[in-house]
Amino acid sequence: AQTVTQSQPEMSVQEAETVTLSCTYDTSENNYYLFWYKQPPSRQMILVIRQEAYKQQNATENRFSVNFQKAAKSFSLKISDSQLGDTAMYFCAFKESQGGSEKLVFGKGTKLTVNP
Amino acid sequence: AAGVIQSPRHLIKEKRETATLKCYPIPRHDTVYWYQQGPGQDPQFLISFYEKMQSDKGSIPDRFSAQQFSDYHSELNMSSLELGDSALYFCASSLGQGNGELFFGEGSRLTVL
Repeated sequence: AQTVTQSQPEMSVQEAETVTLSCTYDTSENNYYLFWYKQPPSRQMILVIRQEAYKQQNATENRFSVNFQKAAKSFSLKISDSQLGDTAMYFCAFKESQGGSEKLVFGKGTKLTVNP
Repeated sequence: AAGVIQSPRHLIKEKRETATLKCYPIPRHDTVYWYQQGPGQDPQFLISFYEKMQSDKGSIPDRFSAQQFSDYHSELNMSSLELGDSALYFCASSLGQGNGELFFGEGSRLTVL
């Protein structure tokens, strides 16, 4: 079974600075998807960024970028120019590409606080 | 753009009662997923449907059942409610299978007293 590990239960960063959230996963599959979801106090699950395992280029979405290391099974999220609105729980998630289970498997989450 | 709609947003029930949560996926999405998120926990997969057939099953109690209807909306039925069922229940939808992205609703918060 696939597992997702987020080793940082909580992190904090000053506004405008950069922070990196860690995520590792375990799978025997070669094709899969990885995601970072943001869950603010409103509890809405918001997709931040996604990465397809067969793509070597790291995904970027404005201030958010990932460092995808397939061999190391690592998928970290970098938030640049942190804003107060980035304060939220961040969940790393794994999904098989085809066949097998279509569900997302989530890590335990990292609570990020952006301080003014 | 239309999003995933869940109802009700909040629900309060007594122990041993029954609750039904509804999920309306994004138009043309044919796959629905249900997740349960307890306080301070990560979302746990319950069950999913693809083209009205159950496609995967996770840690869903036997007291719970779900189905997807011909219009692709889904309902999660929970019976003999227990205090531990208090949680945020998310529905998510996707188009087809294997394409990656799930879109989440805002969740239904169930409180069991």
